[in-house]
Amino acid sequence: AQSVTQPDIHITVSEGASLELRCNYSYGATPYLFWYVQSPGQGLQLLLKYFSGDTLVQGIKGFEAEFKRSQSSFNLRKPSVHWSDAAEYFCAVGLDTGRRALTFGSGTRLQVQP
Amino acid sequence: EPEVTQTPSHQVTQMGQEVILRCVPISNHLYFYWYRQILGQKVEFLVSFYNNEISEKSEIFDDQFSVERPDGSNFTLKIRSTKLEDSAMYFCASSEARGNQPQHFGDGTRLSIL
Repeated sequence: AQSVTQPDIHITVSEGASLELRCNYSYGATPYLFWYVQSPGQGLQLLLKYFSGDTLVQGIKGFEAEFKRSQSSFNLRKPSVHWSDAAEYFCAVGLDTGRRALTFGSGTRLQVQP
Repeated sequence: EPEVTQTPSHQVTQMGQEVILRCVPISNHLYFYWYRQILGQKVEFLVSFYNNEISEKSEIFDDQFSVERPDGSNFTLKIRSTKLEDSAMYFCASSEARGNQPQHFGDGTRLSIL
């Protein structure tokens, strides 16, 4: 079965600093990959997705992610973090087998220091 | 932008009681989903629904759970006899039918079982 690992439970960065959140997946073929963000008391908002093609994908709010097949990774990046980016970030994997269920990582909580 | 709406935002129920969680998916979406997130844990897939029937379900989705599309707009999750361990945030999501389109999530219903 597929799995998703987010190695960092909690990350703190200073406002204006760059950010990279790690995501590794385990699956025999190329999955569909997503990053979602969850602000306190809110639902899951889609930041970006990768299905195929260009391995660097752009998302909303200035985020981007790079798919690296050799490392089974899909890390999320942002060049300059804003205080409003403080939230929990979830990486998720979907399969190309017709199944629709997403498998989520355990999430990374981002704290932004002024 | 169209969004998935869920009601109520918070439901408190006595153990053993039935509970129905409601969702209004995005209007042109044809796939509907329920996920849950127990406090401090991962978001977990429960069930997907397409063309008026369950297309996929997880081992969590046992006989105590059921889903229904009672009319053209609502999608419901019923838990027949709630247990303490059903306490969680329940998220509804919907997606287009084409390929593996991203799932759009509602803000969730926090279910508290006493």
